[in-house]
Amino acid sequence: EVQLVESGGGLVKPGGSLRLSCAASGFVFSSYSMNWVRQAPGKGLEWVSSISSSGSYTHYADSVEGRFTISRDNAKNSLYLQMNSLRAEDTAVYYCAKDLLNYSPDGSDIWGQGTVVTVSS
Amino acid sequence: DIQMTQSPSTLSASVGDRVTITCRASQSISSWLAWYQQKPGKAPKLLIHKASSLESGVPSRFSGSGSGTEFTLTISSLQPDDFATYYCQQYNSYSRTFGQGTKVEIK
Repeated sequence: EVQLVESGGGLVKPGGSLRLSCAASGFVFSSYSMNWVRQAPGKGLEWVSSISSSGSYTHYADSVEGRFTISRDNAKNSLYLQMNSLRAEDTAVYYCAKDLLNYSPDGSDIWGQGTVVTVSS
Repeated sequence: DIQMTQSPSTLSASVGDRVTITCRASQSISSWLAWYQQKPGKAPKLLIHKASSLESGVPSRFSGSGSGTEFTLTISSLQPDDFATYYCQQYNSYSRTFGQGTKVEIK
């Protein structure tokens, strides 16, 4: 079964750090670009970051550029999001999502269940 | 960054209605657009990619059209399972922005 499972969410104080993980199974993880998408309580979806299949190319939303770092370990079939200098506005459900195609950007066909990050003092 | 604007924000409809949601891009994105359905407490589900390609397993009552800056998602005959929030997403640029969402409610 194709599956993504996020972990690492929790409660953190403003200015703190958190590392999210996403474990992939059921597909050739190393062949696909991966993404992080978040959703603040009661709000819409916000793309956060993407990483190429090899990990050589990364892209970030302006709102997290310089504070968040996306990475992957293809040997461990895992995707990560290191979040530093966290702010209250980073409070959200964080989803990892797989690109549909392995040869060009496309929509995301597989999503995890999400992990909740709460930034509060 | 490319901005995506959906309309309407909320739509009230009845079972059996034909429903159309519009998504406009602030600049041309060719056909690099996806549509998702999201239900409360659940992850989004991919419906349409490349503006008009139906994702495997998605009912044929869903269809997408458009290119450039204007796109539509149409549900030909609304079913009870279709009451949800719908999002468009562009992936023409490295910044893969979403529209703000359209909530389809029961009339």
